Amino acid sequence: QKEVEQNSGPLSVPEGAIASLNCTYSDRGSQSFFWYRQYSGKSPELIMSIYSNGDKEDGRFTAQLNKASQYVSLLIRDSQPSDSATYLCAVKGEDSSYKLIFGSGTRLLVRP
Amino acid sequence: DADVTQTPRNRITKTGKRIMLECSQTKGHDRMYWYRQDPGLGLRLIYYSFDVKDINKGEISDGYSVSRQAQAKFSLSLESAIPNQTALYFCATSDSFPGRIYEQYFGPGTRLTVT
Repeated sequence: QKEVEQNSGPLSVPEGAIASLNCTYSDRGSQSFFWYRQYSGKSPELIMSIYSNGDKEDGRFTAQLNKASQYVSLLIRDSQPSDSATYLCAVKGEDSSYKLIFGSGTRLLVRP
Repeated sequence: DADVTQTPRNRITKTGKRIMLECSQTKGHDRMYWYRQDPGLGLRLIYYSFDVKDINKGEISDGYSVSRQAQAKFSLSLESAIPNQTALYFCATSDSFPGRIYEQYFGPGTRLTVT
């Protein structure tokens, strides 16, 4: 059973701080990794994708991938109360079925 | 206008009833997906379709069926609803263009309650 693990949280950070969200996965052959943001009662929204080891930056968001250690993380700089949401990690496995495996999400709270 | 729409947005139904959830998209994507989301369990794939003639079961397809009426329309049916099918249901789409095929875009969801 391929798994994607996330700490459910909540992760609480003060406004302006860096929020660090982590995700581990079990399929060593996984190639594609995604972060989705989901506000309460709303649908998931794709915010970052990463395919290669290292860092990928997009505005206040940085995704970090370490395939050897099988983890992917999301850093949110200058956190704002509007960033308070659940962040879902999704992984595309090694097989050819084009399916994503989702973690259960980490809830982030940014305190004003 | 939203790129991916779902109807109804909320539905309460009784055990044993047949219910259909509909999804339409204007993104021009070939691939469409149905997920359910339960608290603490994340998103689980019910069915997916790569084109009108290609429909595949996901990890939790028992008790569900689907129909891909056109490239833009993908419906999910519960033939005989049961209470443990109470959940939030999402439709999603993705492109078939290399480099973007795994990036999925979600509709607003349907909150289904089976009593």
